[in-house]
Amino acid sequence: EADIYQTPRYLVIGTGKKITLECSQTMGHDKMYWYQQDPGMELHLIHYSYGVNSTEKGDLSSESTVSRIRTEHFPLTLESARPSHTSQYLCASSPYRVATNEKLFFGSGTQLSVL
Amino acid sequence: DAKTTQPPSMDCAEGRAANLPCNHSTISGNEYVYWYRQIHSQGPQYIIHGLKNNETNEMASLIITEDRKSSTLILPHATLRDTAVYYCIVSPRGGATNKLIFGTGTLLAVQP
Repeated sequence: EADIYQTPRYLVIGTGKKITLECSQTMGHDKMYWYQQDPGMELHLIHYSYGVNSTEKGDLSSESTVSRIRTEHFPLTLESARPSHTSQYLCASSPYRVATNEKLFFGSGTQLSVL
Repeated sequence: DAKTTQPPSMDCAEGRAANLPCNHSTISGNEYVYWYRQIHSQGPQYIIHGLKNNETNEMASLIITEDRKSSTLILPHATLRDTAVYYCIVSPRGGATNKLIFGTGTLLAVQP
């Protein structure tokens, strides 16, 4: 099983602050994803990457940005947090570049609250 | 991508089989059926996937109809810890840029 870590687990922050949510995986997976999920609602893909120096926007528009400078690291940044950004953010990775299946491994998530 | 339709919620008695249906009537020939589940406050967990043959692993069985327009996830002996939202997803055969789109899923409540 892959190990994928997200920090912090919970974050409460004031409006206007810059924040970075960390996501790291130790299995050398090429593909990584960020999903956003409000309580009781479906997951929405906001960013994904299929390798170093590649990033793509997902199906839900997001004011966040991502980078992929190293294979194992896929941080998400909000330049100026707002209450509308309050949500759970889930990071995932997938072990295949050309895959026969989409077995994603998810982190435990970061619950972000912007006051 | 093909869309899926799942009942919003289901109940199951502990120790009994849980059968979760999924309709995917517009599935294409190269699309797989994936099942994930999400226990409250955790990230989703992969369960099983299949193309056209029935599949079984240590977690569950997947039954896909011959016309591939629907499938059923079977948890043979449900426990309280199986209470979760179960997602049925169809997606093309992998690839560098492929991605999974989650819907609203089925909330399975296992009752003691």
